[in-house]
Formats: sequence, C-alpha cells, structure tokens
Amino acid sequence: GAVVSQHPSWVICKSGTSVKIECRSLDFQATTMFWYRQFPKQSLMLMATSNEGSKATYEQGVEKDKFLINHASLTLSTLTVTSAHPEDSSFYICSARDLGRRYYEQYFGPGTRLTVT
Amino acid sequence: LAKTTQPISMDSYEGQEVNITCSHNNIATNDYITWYQQFPSQGPRFIIQGYKTKVTNEVASLFIPADRKSSTLSLPRVSLSDTAVYYCLVGGYTGTASKLTFGTGTRLQVTL
Repeated sequence: GAVVSQHPSWVICKSGTSVKIECRSLDFQATTMFWYRQFPKQSLMLMATSNEGSKATYEQGVEKDKFLINHASLTLSTLTVTSAHPEDSSFYICSARDLGRRYYEQYFGPGTRLTVT
Repeated sequence: LAKTTQPISMDSYEGQEVNITCSHNNIATNDYITWYQQFPSQGPRFIIQGYKTKVTNEVASLFIPADRKSSTLSLPRVSLSDTAVYYCLVGGYTGTASKLTFGTGTRLQVTL
C-alpha cells in the first residue's frame, strides 16, 4: 500500500517549452502533496506544498509563475515547468501524506528526471 | 523546523552493524524523528519513525535518548544493497501540512 507514482519518469525538452509532471497517489487519498527538486549529489529541496482544492504554497525563492502546481483531486497533483531553461534540469520528486496512516508519514514518488536542452 | 546534523559519509563492510547518529538540538515537543533511505535516481523510502526511546521494525532500529536531542539509526548486518543516502528528518503535524526539510544526509558505502 501507500504507492505514489510519477509520470513521466524522464523527459527531455527544448529550452523555452513547458513540461508537465504528474504525481498520483495510487491507493490512498492525499489532501496534501509536496514537490521537491534535487540536483546531482545534493539533498532534496522542498519547492512547494500542494493542497487539494486550493492554491499551492511555495517556498522562498521558488517562482510560482514558473513552477505551476495544480492539485485538482485527492489523488493527483501536477507540476508544470513553464518556459524551461537548462538550469531547470533536475530530478523532481513528489510526495504525499496518507491521511489514513500515521500523521507524519510521507510517501515519495520515484522521481522525474528533467533535461532541458 | 528543527535542523538536523548528520555525518556526510560512512563506510562499512558487509555483515556489520551500522549506526548513523543525527543531532537535532532544537527539536520541538510535538516533533517526530523520521529516517528515509534514498538510492540514486529514486525517491526517498521511509525506513522508520519514532518519538522517544526505541523503535524497531523489520529493517532497522531507532534509538532516541530521553532528551531527544539526537537519534541513532541502527542497520543490522548491512549488505551491499544498503549502499544509499540516509536522511534524518524532524518535524511534527502542523495542521494540513507537514513539511519535511531534508538535511545533507549520510552517504553509506557498503563493501565486501
């Protein structure tokens, strides 16, 4: 149980285009999902908190107009990287909190490798 | 959110017990301590969580002293497949959001 999926697992796009990454909780409902970014050999950096039915909360320094987050249902959150540039190339990971389990246990997706050329 | 400090890296031989200690001096009363494991190009995987004393599951044990300012993840008889980065996180329930702040993590290298 408690599986989180991401799609796609990897994507290559040209500079200036937009890319959408999906995060799904497969067997539980997630009121809250989180988006992280991880550069090679570095730790995960929280980008934003996605709440179902409301606007996302972005961490300091993260451009909300560049990283659009939509949490339209209890099982799906999407991250859209708009007008992507090579510096946006990174490993993007989402996580979800299962309301039915221990209150502080989060489950992470497998990640999406974004390469902007 | 409480800041955590862990060793950057550790080396071990296969079959040994590995103990990774994390300090979290400003842990709050309602904070739990959670450990995650991450392999390259994968999302973190939950290992164990605790509040105080000792917690044990099928893969690890977590030791938390009375003052809760540190915790130790114990991996019994590690194998090569335990080579990964281990993150210690501290935090608690805050309404509808429970943010996790990842520190540097400990890169464990297991060899024969």
